[in-house]
Amino acid sequence: DAGVTQSPTHLIKTRGQQVTLRCSPKSGHDTVSWYQQALGQGPQFIFQYYEEEERQRGNFPDRFSGHQFPNYSSELNVNALLLGDSALYLCASSFGPGAYYGYTFGSGTRLTVV
Amino acid sequence: AQSVTQLDSQVPVFEEAPVELRCNYSSSVSVYLFWYVQYPNQGLQLLLKYLSGSTLVKGINGFEAEFNKSQTSFHLRKPSVHISDTAEYFCAVSDGNDMRFGAGTRLTVKP
Repeated sequence: DAGVTQSPTHLIKTRGQQVTLRCSPKSGHDTVSWYQQALGQGPQFIFQYYEEEERQRGNFPDRFSGHQFPNYSSELNVNALLLGDSALYLCASSFGPGAYYGYTFGSGTRLTVV
Repeated sequence: AQSVTQLDSQVPVFEEAPVELRCNYSSSVSVYLFWYVQYPNQGLQLLLKYLSGSTLVKGINGFEAEFNKSQTSFHLRKPSVHISDTAEYFCAVSDGNDMRFGAGTRLTVKP
């Protein structure tokens, strides 16, 4: 049973560029949440997608956007990258839009902005 | 909105000693509580969760946690730690909509 799959595992971008991160949820899950984890900090909630719509959003600027596809996979897009966007980006999937059953996390994408 | 405070950023302990990692939460509604562990360069793995019912929750790897509503706490405990328990531990709270995490506690088990 495949868990949550994220790609790529690592990437390096230049300040001002745009990046797209991808996530495939665990089989049977229909909701995807994205988190940003800066070095030495806890994960910060970016947004959650359910039924192809953004359902909840944390305190992140509009430079952060996302999408969910009919097969429940999701993308996180970040425009106009800043040095401060360097972090581990975690995707979490769940069954249903709430967190009642907890989340299953992927291993993350390590983004470095130079 | 809910929030989580992990009271210790680092906890060093000797192998086979007991350990407690402290977590307090705040929320205006009923909550669900979770503990996750993160090993270096990996994602988060669920240790245990409290949804309702018994306030003492048992999880994987010998960990347990107790929900205390009056003190708004959800402390994680293990009676005897191993070197392999060295990791970052995160407490999380959900109001049923999304999940918010604490800043983490670095548990270091020394031989």
